Amino acid sequence: GQNIDQPTEMTATEGAIVQINCTYQTSGFNGLFWYQQHAGEAPTFLSYNVLDGLEEKGRFSSFLSRSKGYSYLLLKELQMKDSASYLCAVMDSNYQLIWGAGTKLIIKP
Amino acid sequence: GAVVSQHPSWVICKSGTSVKIECRSLDFQATTMFWYRQFPKQSLMLMATSNEGSKATYEQGVEKDKFLINHASLTLSTLTVTSAHPEDSSFYICSARSPRGGDRGELFFGEGSRLTVL
Repeated sequence: GQNIDQPTEMTATEGAIVQINCTYQTSGFNGLFWYQQHAGEAPTFLSYNVLDGLEEKGRFSSFLSRSKGYSYLLLKELQMKDSASYLCAVMDSNYQLIWGAGTKLIIKP
Repeated sequence: GAVVSQHPSWVICKSGTSVKIECRSLDFQATTMFWYRQFPKQSLMLMATSNEGSKATYEQGVEKDKFLINHASLTLSTLTVTSAHPEDSSFYICSARSPRGGDRGELFFGEGSRLTVL
């Protein structure tokens, strides 16, 4: 079966750095997405990785290793507004998105 | 600004009534839109894929007669929850893929519609 694993919840301190991991097992691979979702709101796009390596976009970076079925989202200089759920999703060989359950990130002052 | 708009944002209805939710792509034509349901503290669950000009494709376990999907134009898909019951109360979200990049295009989400069935 297809499976996306990510931690349920993480806590970090304002100004610090946090890494949210995602491992996946899917039938084929056509890219991995990270989305941010604040409580009660729809998800918003953060990043897309299809090749191995690190993609940096401001305070957020996303890494992919296809051979390991692994990705992480790195958030630097954490701000209180970064408190949200972070969803990892993989596009399989049929171009269907397989969603992880999301990681709830709690930022403390 | 938003490229996918969803309406209404909130709806409260009595058990047994039907509710229609609209999803519009504002900046592009979307031949395919996706409808998700999300229960509290859970991830998105794909309900169905809406295809312009043809029948929607439903995921396993989703009742197509209860969740009617109509993709009448390249910018509008509607989801109608028929004979709604309290267990249908959830957060319903639509999305459409940007035509840039084909199947690998970025997925834009509507604002979501929170349905409460009394």
